[in-house]
Amino acid sequence: GQQVQQSPSSLVLQEGENAELQCNFSSTATQLQWFYQSPGGSLVSLLSNPSGTKHTGRLTSTTVTKERRSSLHISSSQTTDSGTYLCASSTGGNNKLTFGQGTVLSVIP
Amino acid sequence: EAGVTQSPRYAVLQEGQAVSFWCDPISGHDTLYWYQQPRDQGPQLLVYFRDEAVIDNSQLPSDRFSAVRPKGTNSTLKIQSAKQGDTATYLCASRRRDTANSDYTFGSGTRLLVI
Repeated sequence: GQQVQQSPSSLVLQEGENAELQCNFSSTATQLQWFYQSPGGSLVSLLSNPSGTKHTGRLTSTTVTKERRSSLHISSSQTTDSGTYLCASSTGGNNKLTFGQGTVLSVIP
Repeated sequence: EAGVTQSPRYAVLQEGQAVSFWCDPISGHDTLYWYQQPRDQGPQLLVYFRDEAVIDNSQLPSDRFSAVRPKGTNSTLKIQSAKQGDTATYLCASRRRDTANSDYTFGSGTRLLVI
């Protein structure tokens, strides 16, 4: 089945720095979604981006389908961005997301 | 629109006890998922439904776990005889299948501790 690997596993930034999170998947993804999870909180969808580049606010996701990778760029990080960022993908038409293990982001003032 | 609602928020059990988790998806979402998220790991799919039909339960430990969605709306996940290894957050998500690249919406989860 689909396997999803995220890097780095953790990242510490000073407020105002940019973050680059990576996601690699074993099979061509028909769906690719980035989620945010606050400590003890639920998952919030950030971006759905199976191919190309998408922007929302300070977030930019770039997915290169044939290379089976996606990135999430967070510009001008804020302390409230701290939490876990999860990448998830699905293949074919099976509609079930496989998640990576997440990147834990800590933004310090 | 209302989000995905789960209950209870927390559960603490002794090994061998049973527990049920309940999920109310977003109205009109025909696909419903149950995920298990152990501490410090990503969510792992247990089972998912389209309407009332089970589409994939290959990762559901069938000897102790069961899941139903009898009317294609609310769903219940039950653990018959809990083990310490079941300690995790159980997440429910829903989605509309017919919308291209529609987002998955997750509930707040049920945090289970088995002692």
